Amino acid sequence: AAGVIQSPRHLIKEKRETATLKCYPIPRHDTVYWYQQGPGQDPQFLISFYEKMQSDKGSIPDRFSAQQFSDYHSELNMSSLELGDSALYFCASSMTGRSYEQYFGPGTRLTVT
Amino acid sequence: AQSVTQPDIHITVSEGASLELRCNYSYGATPYLFWYVQSPGQGLQLLLKYFSGDTLVQGIKGFEAEFKRSQSSFNLRKPSVHWSDAAEYFCAVGALGNTDKLIFGTGTRLQVFP
Repeated sequence: AAGVIQSPRHLIKEKRETATLKCYPIPRHDTVYWYQQGPGQDPQFLISFYEKMQSDKGSIPDRFSAQQFSDYHSELNMSSLELGDSALYFCASSMTGRSYEQYFGPGTRLTVT
Repeated sequence: AQSVTQPDIHITVSEGASLELRCNYSYGATPYLFWYVQSPGQGLQLLLKYFSGDTLVQGIKGFEAEFKRSQSSFNLRKPSVHWSDAAEYFCAVGALGNTDKLIFGTGTRLQVFP
């Protein structure tokens, strides 16, 4: 079965650089969620999109922005990167009416040096 | 505010032994509860979920969990652990309100000895 695809899987950036993370949901899933998991931490919700509109917002820094496109894929844009942004970034997807059944991608490991 | 507590940071068991991972939640209504497993450097895999109905839910890989409203618990169990079960286990609750976000516990790291 198709799963959530995230790219890239690993990313190394320097401080103050920008990064773009991509997420391709499971086919027919219309909702995308982004979570951030710091080293040794539990995943923290950042933001979600339903039908290309932002549906909820968590502890996402103002330096980050995200959007969902017409094909339902989503991109998380991160600017002015800081060392503390180093983390595993997960994307999850779900379908209408089953929003709590979130399927997670493998994550993008971002390292900021 | 909703929260999830996993009291055990690290558990070590022998292969073939039984396992119980504890999870307690704080919630104002009937919660949606989940257990996820994460192998090192990997994503989160859904083991099982509870929305309503039978309080004993079966999941993948031989895991089960029991919802106990009186104890605000949703403990994960497995009768016989395999070495491949070594991983990080996260309990999560669906948040209240007009949101579908998940709130995770801090995780329990399971180590399995041969």
